[in-house]
Amino acid sequence: ILNVEQSPQSLHVQEGDSTNFTCSFPSSNFYALHWYRWETAKSPEALFVMTLNGDEKKKGRISATLNTKEGYSYLYIKGSQPEDSATYLCASPRPGNQFYFGTGTSLTVIP
Amino acid sequence: EAQVTQNPRYLITVTGKKLTVTCSQNMNHEYMSWYRQDPGLGLRQIYYSMNVEVTDKGDVPEGYKVSRKEKRNFPLILESPSPNQTSLYFCASSSDRGVFQPQHFGDGTRLSIL
Repeated sequence: ILNVEQSPQSLHVQEGDSTNFTCSFPSSNFYALHWYRWETAKSPEALFVMTLNGDEKKKGRISATLNTKEGYSYLYIKGSQPEDSATYLCASPRPGNQFYFGTGTSLTVIP
Repeated sequence: EAQVTQNPRYLITVTGKKLTVTCSQNMNHEYMSWYRQDPGLGLRQIYYSMNVEVTDKGDVPEGYKVSRKEKRNFPLILESPSPNQTSLYFCASSSDRGVFQPQHFGDGTRLSIL
């Protein structure tokens, strides 16, 4: 079993606040790091796939960074909106193409 | 429209009654995978397939079977379901062996086994 860990487990922020959360993963045999956004009653949707150390990717108000040497990735949301409320999942594919997901960070943005 | 289609969306059944959850994708993806989601445990991979006739065990394969006879279909079979298989199941597909391209998820199947 590979430990992909996410923190915090849940987060409540006020509308307009910026926030960030963490995904940590074993740095050995690293292939890629995936971020997904999962809204209640829907299916997970891909945000980013990151591969290179120092990678930074951005989609609108959401961005992510990657540090493969120390085994962590940060997801940032700037100016949170109620529609950002969701669970954010990270996942790491490993040799053999097996996927390991973290347990997610549940974000609630309070209007 | 590019999509992953799972059926059924909801199923309540009884212990021991064989069931199949179908999964089909129309994106010509090589990689397909099944996950189960349980509270506090995150998505756990059951089985995955990198191409036709190639399947591999994930983290929690016990009690499940899969087959990949055609590229588009990847059914999940529970030969003798038990209550501990009550869960939310997702099928997903991806190009490029699922590593460097994102996975596309179906809408999920909620199974209750009494």
